[in-house]
Amino acid sequence: QSALTQPASVSGSPGQSITISCTGSSSDIGDSNHVCWYQHHPGKAPKLMIYGVTNRPSGVSDRFSGSKSGNTASLTISGLQAEDEADYFCGSFRNSIAWVFGGGTRLTVL
Amino acid sequence: EVQLVESGGGLAQPGGSLRLSCAASGFTFSDYTMNWVRQAPGKGLEWVSFIRSETTTYADSVKGRFTISRDNAKNSLYLQMNSLRAEDTAVYYCVRDYSYAFDYWGQGTLVTVSS
Repeated sequence: QSALTQPASVSGSPGQSITISCTGSSSDIGDSNHVCWYQHHPGKAPKLMIYGVTNRPSGVSDRFSGSKSGNTASLTISGLQAEDEADYFCGSFRNSIAWVFGGGTRLTVL
Repeated sequence: EVQLVESGGGLAQPGGSLRLSCAASGFTFSDYTMNWVRQAPGKGLEWVSFIRSETTTYADSVKGRFTISRDNAKNSLYLQMNSLRAEDTAVYYCVRDYSYAFDYWGQGTLVTVSS
């Protein structure tokens, strides 16, 4: 059982937008500006897509955006492309001590 | 180019030990907090431990059994894993922390705990 709750799967057609939610608690997402999203293609190293709730690292497409409301963070991918198909994990700093992650969401581009 | 290369994974018996290593290159290793994160088969990510200068912190699931360390002269991160359990079976990733974001990950090394 992961500390943060994500849907197991989402899907969308090329060009569409999808949103992945990540629900935690007042001890992590609700109390932290350090919420991140990672893209993971199986067999490869995970890649940082969003940090600090809303910020994109250099080189990450602006089709990826992050937000937070209360204890829930969200990742939105607009203009879906085939290469976006991957697993996506959220992560949050908890109680200023440690990191917690979600169980991951498998994105399928139809 | 930042590179993190893990090694030392393999098969261990329950109650046994393994030592993971991570060779870092392409950045000033001593300037960064480093982490170990693992992913059990079919499961999500689980943060294991971090080391910041001399400060170390561990997940409750490994506290007292795992020890994280670093050798800045060798640009290397380590994870000594003792009293291994079946539930420690996972791919272990070496991860750089840049201002509370895991910005670079290694490819991972598989640890299997089984008799």
